[in-house]
Amino acid sequence: QSALTQPRSVSGSPGQSVTIPCTGTSSDVGNYKSVSWYQHHPGKAPKLIIYDVNKRPSGVPDRFSGSKSGNTASLTISGLQAEDETDYFCCSYAGSYTYVFGTATKVTVL
Amino acid sequence: EVQLVQSGGEVKKPGESLQISCKGSGYSFNTYWIGWMRQMPGKGLEWMGIIYPGDSDTRYSPSFQGQVTISADKSIRTAYLQWSSLKASDTAMYFCARQGSSFDGFDIWGQGALVTVSS
Repeated sequence: QSALTQPRSVSGSPGQSVTIPCTGTSSDVGNYKSVSWYQHHPGKAPKLIIYDVNKRPSGVPDRFSGSKSGNTASLTISGLQAEDETDYFCCSYAGSYTYVFGTATKVTVL
Repeated sequence: EVQLVQSGGEVKKPGESLQISCKGSGYSFNTYWIGWMRQMPGKGLEWMGIIYPGDSDTRYSPSFQGQVTISADKSIRTAYLQWSSLKASDTAMYFCARQGSSFDGFDIWGQGALVTVSS
């Protein structure tokens, strides 16, 4: 299993939108509707923000949205806020109770 | 409150053994899979394996099979990650997390445990 590929960093100004791609293969992202996204402030527990490609857990702002096309899933943060500045990573189910994570992306709010 | 609480950071020497723990509370511990993840310094997360505490069914990532042992004691609502002989390359932050009941992902995470292996 190879890690899912994410850009090392993305940035945007407050109020803008940023999109983080997460590229896998036909064995993981492309084969399952089981992509999840996590917000991770270093030193803290990661927080689930998207599951099943595009569903938000209760309490997660609708500024966060997810999508998938082929082997690439994406997380979009709309109306970027200063508090969104941190690390984000994706995760895909890969069959037989196995998972693969993305390489993580740091979002910077300019 | 649903939570996973991990044991504290550890500093060990190469060749030593170690077991770190992850205690669940606020939910039916036996009926949710618990996964373990590694984050090496400056790197992303790696999925190590997963266990179902109800019957200790365990699956490992090929990268970690034979390198670590995942176990659980449902009587005390605790999952474990164990090394028999640590290497310097095991230095990392380790997270446990609960797999969602109706989706394939992790909805509750532990706070992480930093393992440092150095002579």
